Amino acid sequence: QQQVKQSPQSLIVQKGGISIINCAYENTAFDYFPWYQQFPGKGPALLIAIRPDVSEKKEGRFTISFNKSAKQFSLHIMDSQPGDSATYFCAASLRAGGTSYGKLTFGQGTILTVHP
Amino acid sequence: NAGVMQNPRHLVRRRGQEARLRCSPMKGHSHVYWYRQLPEEGLKFMVYLQKENIIDESGMPKERFSAEFPKEGPSILRIQQVVRGDSAAYFCASSPPSGRSNEQFFGPGTRLTVL
Repeated sequence: QQQVKQSPQSLIVQKGGISIINCAYENTAFDYFPWYQQFPGKGPALLIAIRPDVSEKKEGRFTISFNKSAKQFSLHIMDSQPGDSATYFCAASLRAGGTSYGKLTFGQGTILTVHP
Repeated sequence: NAGVMQNPRHLVRRRGQEARLRCSPMKGHSHVYWYRQLPEEGLKFMVYLQKENIIDESGMPKERFSAEFPKEGPSILRIQQVVRGDSAAYFCASSPPSGRSNEQFFGPGTRLTVL
C-alpha cells in the first residue's frame, strides 16, 4: 500500500515537445506529492509539488496534474529543452507535523532525453 | 545559505571495513532523512531522525546499519562490516521543523563503493 508506480521508464522527446510522466499511488493517506529532478552524479532537486486539494499546479514550463479519484498524478514539461534531460522521480508522503512525518516514497524514475 | 552538505562525496571501502557517512542539514532544519539509491533504481527510505532521536528506522537493514543525529554536529550513517551489496549512493535530506513543510532538500550524496 506504500508503493508509488511511475511510467514510462524512459522517454525520448524532441526539443520543443511536451514530456509527460505518470505516477499512481495506493495509499489514500498520502497528502503531499513532489517531483524531483536528478542529474547524473547529483542529488535530487525538488522541482514542483502538489497537495490533493488542488487538481493542477503550474510553475513555469512544469505542470502537475492531480486526479484524486484515480489516485494518479502526472508531470508535464512544456517546450522541452535538451537541458531538461535528466531522471525524474515522483514521490508521495503523509502530511508532516504532529505525530505523522514526511518520509518520501519514490517512484522508480523516468530517464528523459530531449533531442535538439 | 548553504544547502544540505554531505561528506565524503565518494568513499571506497573493502569488504569488512566500516563506512561513516556524514550529513549536515540546512540551517534551521531539524529533521534529517537518509535514503539509499541502488544503481538504476529509485530512492528508498532508510531512517528519519530529529536531534538526539530516531523517529523511524523502518527502512534500515536490521544488522550492520545505524544512524544518529547528535545534539551537536552532523548526522552520521554508519555501516559496519560492509559487503559488496552496500555499494550505492546514500542521500541525506533535511526539512524544517514539523508542521511547517513537507519539503525535503537533498544533499549531493555519498557514493559508496565496496571492493
